[in-house]
Amino acid sequence: EVQLVESGGALVQPGRSLRLSCAASGFTFDGYAMHWVRQAPGKGLEWVSGISANSGDIIYADSVKGRFTISRDNAKNSLYLQLDSLRAEDTALYYCTKRVNSQNPFDSWGQGTMVTVSS
Amino acid sequence: EVVLTQSPGTLSLSPGGRATLSCRASQSVRSYLAWYQQKPGQAPRLLIYDASSRATGIPDRFSGSGSGTDFTLTISRLEPEDFAVYYCQHYGGSPPVTFGGGTKVEI
Repeated sequence: EVQLVESGGALVQPGRSLRLSCAASGFTFDGYAMHWVRQAPGKGLEWVSGISANSGDIIYADSVKGRFTISRDNAKNSLYLQLDSLRAEDTALYYCTKRVNSQNPFDSWGQGTMVTVSS
Repeated sequence: EVVLTQSPGTLSLSPGGRATLSCRASQSVRSYLAWYQQKPGQAPRLLIYDASSRATGIPDRFSGSGSGTDFTLTISRLEPEDFAVYYCQHYGGSPPVTFGGGTKVEI
């Protein structure tokens, strides 16, 4: 069974940093691209960032470019998102998702980890 | 960037009824269109991909159609567990993923 378990969410002040993690199991992690998608309270889904299976391709939404950094450790079956210079508008539930490649949708999602940016 | 517009924003129906949800793209996305279901407190679940293919384990009362810029998700006979929010998603473009604003199907 595919499992994606996010962690690391917290209440942080504006301008501070946070690191999110996603532990993957039940599939061949290094065979899949991984992505982060977020959802602000009561709002829709917003794609944040993605990384290819071998980390060779990395891409970000304009809203987080230069502030967030995605990475993965295939030996540990783990995905990460470093969130720097956090803003109130980054407040959201952050989901970890996977897909085979760019021609495919997200086929599995974690349950999310909540990031709240507030003073 | 492709913009996806979903309509209606809310659909009020009864169990056993038929739901028709629309997703319109600002430019052609060919068939790179998926539909997700999200229930309160849960993560989204993939229902339909490539515009009309059902994901594993999805009941056949869910069907997708369309190509290019106009897409439809149809739920033929609403079950109580189908009342949720539905999102369409374009993949394969740049940015690599965009989502529609969602349609809430309520009783």
